[in-house]
Amino acid sequence: EPEVTQTPSHQVTQMGQEVILRCVPISNHLYFYWYRQILGQKVEFLVSFYNNEISEKSEIFDDQFSVERPDGSNFTLKIRSTKLEDSAMYFCASRDISGTTQETQYFGPGTRLLVL
Amino acid sequence: SQQGEEDPQALSIQEGENATMNCSYKTSINNLQWYRQNSGRGLVHLILIRSNEREKHSGRLRVTLDTSKKSSSLLITASRAADTASYFCATVRKGSGNTGKLIFGQGTTLQVKP
Repeated sequence: EPEVTQTPSHQVTQMGQEVILRCVPISNHLYFYWYRQILGQKVEFLVSFYNNEISEKSEIFDDQFSVERPDGSNFTLKIRSTKLEDSAMYFCASRDISGTTQETQYFGPGTRLLVL
Repeated sequence: SQQGEEDPQALSIQEGENATMNCSYKTSINNLQWYRQNSGRGLVHLILIRSNEREKHSGRLRVTLDTSKKSSSLLITASRAADTASYFCATVRKGSGNTGKLIFGQGTTLQVKP
């Protein structure tokens, strides 16, 4: 069964450093998302991406964040200058835009980011 | 406003018993989805119920939706130790366009004792 994959599974970085989190969505999906979950808290929406542009973003998704689909398979989240409070699990998700499962988002296993 | 608040926050039952988790939300929705998360792992989609549906089944899962009360429940029947996980409801708000952004609740932590 197709699945969303994410790399790396864990990332440790120093405050102020740039990180890039990578995701490979399910191949025929066209809508992509990033969410994050701070330890012990609920999952929060960051951004949605469709047709090579951001379709919606949350207040969390400030100028330090950016997303890109550099090729036909990868979807990346970049944090330019990490802060301690960026430590969280980051989830990528994708969904189809047609068919019986078009409303279902499929999540990757997550990247645990720790900012020191 | 908070969307998708679950109760109870934690639930501990014996294997074989049924587990019921509830979710409340505040705005009109297109659909409501339930996800499972094993400790420190990814989110697994369980079931989706649309705003014009009242009940749905999938294996040992039964979901109900009451749009007049803005609430949903997830019932897991004949629970197993492997059902131990956190369960989240997530809503897609009506009028959110086609982005399909999910708004998650705080989740219910379920422990099933063997």
